[in-house]
Amino acid sequence: DTGVSQDPRHKITKRGQNVTFRCDPISEHNRLYWYRQTLGQGPEFLTYFQNEAQLEKSRLLSDRFSAERPKGSFSTLEIQRTEQGDSAMYLCASPPRGNTPQFFGPGTRLTVL
Amino acid sequence: AQTVTQSQPEMSVQEAETVTLSCTYDTSESNYYLFWYKQPPSRQMILVIRQEAYKQQNATENRFSVNFQKAAKSFSLKISDSQLGDTAMYFCAFMKPSLQGAQKLVFGQGTRLTINP
Repeated sequence: DTGVSQDPRHKITKRGQNVTFRCDPISEHNRLYWYRQTLGQGPEFLTYFQNEAQLEKSRLLSDRFSAERPKGSFSTLEIQRTEQGDSAMYLCASPPRGNTPQFFGPGTRLTVL
Repeated sequence: AQTVTQSQPEMSVQEAETVTLSCTYDTSESNYYLFWYKQPPSRQMILVIRQEAYKQQNATENRFSVNFQKAAKSFSLKISDSQLGDTAMYFCAFMKPSLQGAQKLVFGQGTRLTINP
């Protein structure tokens, strides 16, 4: 257990529905990352927060995706009007400080029918 | 942009054998970090080992060691005395340090390692 939690662990939704995922990093970690991992591939960077500020977004993050981190604590990732191509594992990660490795949560597996 | 390549999609060895997973990367940076992460079936990704590019000495963590060849841009992982619990997907990852910006990880495609009893 890395201390990073994510909820829900699994989500099945129909195409066109909105979904929201939550990540709770280790409390003293001010950096937080979201990644997306499709089947058989390595994770790909989606977005980065330092405290409550979203400082970088990948081109993978279309305008249907939005992420927030209110008060620099937990973070949410929302996908609007889901598409089948959004089916993936969504991973949250946080490093304790500086140039240290990122600790990953268990992920939320999204299936869009 | 940095890229990471793992050329072995799958590997399989017997328990107690030694296995080496390959990873190459492409970057123009001189200062960076390299990592191996392990993702067991249906379980979360955990860090196996890290290497700072400015360190010439290869990192070692118990049964896990790396062969870091900076000039060749190669970063292989050696697992000695393999155990059934080593069965997992293994990802090689690159990170460029940044004071303010995202220190995002760039991952390879992964190698599925199976340890057979």
